[in-house]
Amino acid sequence: EIVLTQSPGTLSLSPGERATLSCRASQSVRSNSLAWYQQKPGQSPRLLIYGASNRASGIPDRFIGSGYSGSGSGTDFTLIISRLEPEDFAVYYCQQYAGSLLTFGGGTKVEIK
Amino acid sequence: QVQLQESGPGLVKPSQTLSLTCTVSGGSISSGGYYWSWIRQHPGKGLEWIGYIYYSGSTYYNPSLKSRVTISVDTSKNQFSLKLSSVTAADTAVYYCARDLHALGIEPWGQGTLVTVSS
Repeated sequence: EIVLTQSPGTLSLSPGERATLSCRASQSVRSNSLAWYQQKPGQSPRLLIYGASNRASGIPDRFIGSGYSGSGSGTDFTLIISRLEPEDFAVYYCQQYAGSLLTFGGGTKVEIK
Repeated sequence: QVQLQESGPGLVKPSQTLSLTCTVSGGSISSGGYYWSWIRQHPGKGLEWIGYIYYSGSTYYNPSLKSRVTISVDTSKNQFSLKLSSVTAADTAVYYCARDLHALGIEPWGQGTLVTVSS
């Protein structure tokens, strides 16, 4: 089973600042199998990024996913929120597929400083 | 657009079987290329994948839950279901159903339903 470790656990930032969230896999993950989700309190998760760097429909371009390498796989993936808006304060999860099995990271909470 | 809605008992006794149904609207569960997933979230914790099913009936389960999980599909009702046997308090969680696009991500998600295991 591939374990995804997200860091930091909590990120305290102010609106307008840049947020950098990390997701590290215990084994190499194909970039096209890495996704990011946002979850606000009392709500279901929402897909933000798929294939490591592709924004889902309706997702603003301030959300940037990266981690693609020339080999198409890797262990280190990043979600950047270029300028935090008030509605961006939430918990973010990464998720991967490998061999038809799926795992989620433990989440990073982005809170208002 | 496709919407999903979970339904089922909110309270289950220990050792019994948890049963939930997800009704899909706005699209056919038999559409090729989609998988249909169950995911849970323990109170205040992260997301845990339970398993998914293809409309043909093929299933894949989280190895840690595999011995207790059954996911089935009823294409005539446009529904898929979850059964989790021998539940304990550790199975208390919000249970989500969702459409799984594999490499294209998981969306949409149902609103989630809280299931409490307690006598």
